[in-house]
Amino acid sequence: QSALTQPASVSGSPGQSITISCTGTSSDVGGYDYVSWYQQHPGKAPKLMIFDVSNRPSGVSNRFSGSKSGNTASLTISGLQAEDEAEYYCSSYRISGAVFGTGTRVTVL
Amino acid sequence: EVQLAESGGGLVQPGGSLRLSCAASGFTFSSHSMIWVRQAPGKGLEWVSYISGSSTTIYYADSVKGRFTISRDNARNSLFLQMMILRDEDTAVYYCARGLLMHGLDVWGQGTTVTVSS
Repeated sequence: QSALTQPASVSGSPGQSITISCTGTSSDVGGYDYVSWYQQHPGKAPKLMIFDVSNRPSGVSNRFSGSKSGNTASLTISGLQAEDEAEYYCSSYRISGAVFGTGTRVTVL
Repeated sequence: EVQLAESGGGLVQPGGSLRLSCAASGFTFSSHSMIWVRQAPGKGLEWVSYISGSSTTIYYADSVKGRFTISRDNARNSLFLQMMILRDEDTAVYYCARGLLMHGLDVWGQGTTVTVSS
């Protein structure tokens, strides 16, 4: 059960937009519209930011948006803020289970 | 307030066993699927096991299949993970979370640490 592939790190200046990619296969990301994104600050539990590719849970800023094309999903953070500095993980459903991404460290310069 | 609280972590020798618990509050526990996720030190998240609200559907990651058993007691609003034949690579923070594998995990506990070492 190989993890989904994410870039190790992405950085941006306050106010800029950044995009994190999440690449899987036709058995997971490409096969279903069931991609989620999580934010994790050091020493804290993950927080759901996006579900079902592009839906935001109540309370999550609209600066966070998700999309998918083929086997690759993406998370875009617009108007980057200092509080967005964290680790981000994608996740996808696959038959009889799920898989997380390798994680991306977002740094606000 | 919707909350999950894990307990039962600790230090165990390779080959040993441990039982984790997760106490749920603030929501109708029996109506929700639950999941265990773990995170090895300095590593990413790894899905471990899933159980539906009525316990009729259960899944395990290949890495724990045959060694770990997930269960729940809806009368006590509790989720469990019985871990056996523990290996060094099972060392991790174990989180319980609410949700469906398909639609994301919307509530997480604070995690409990399991260390497998001689």
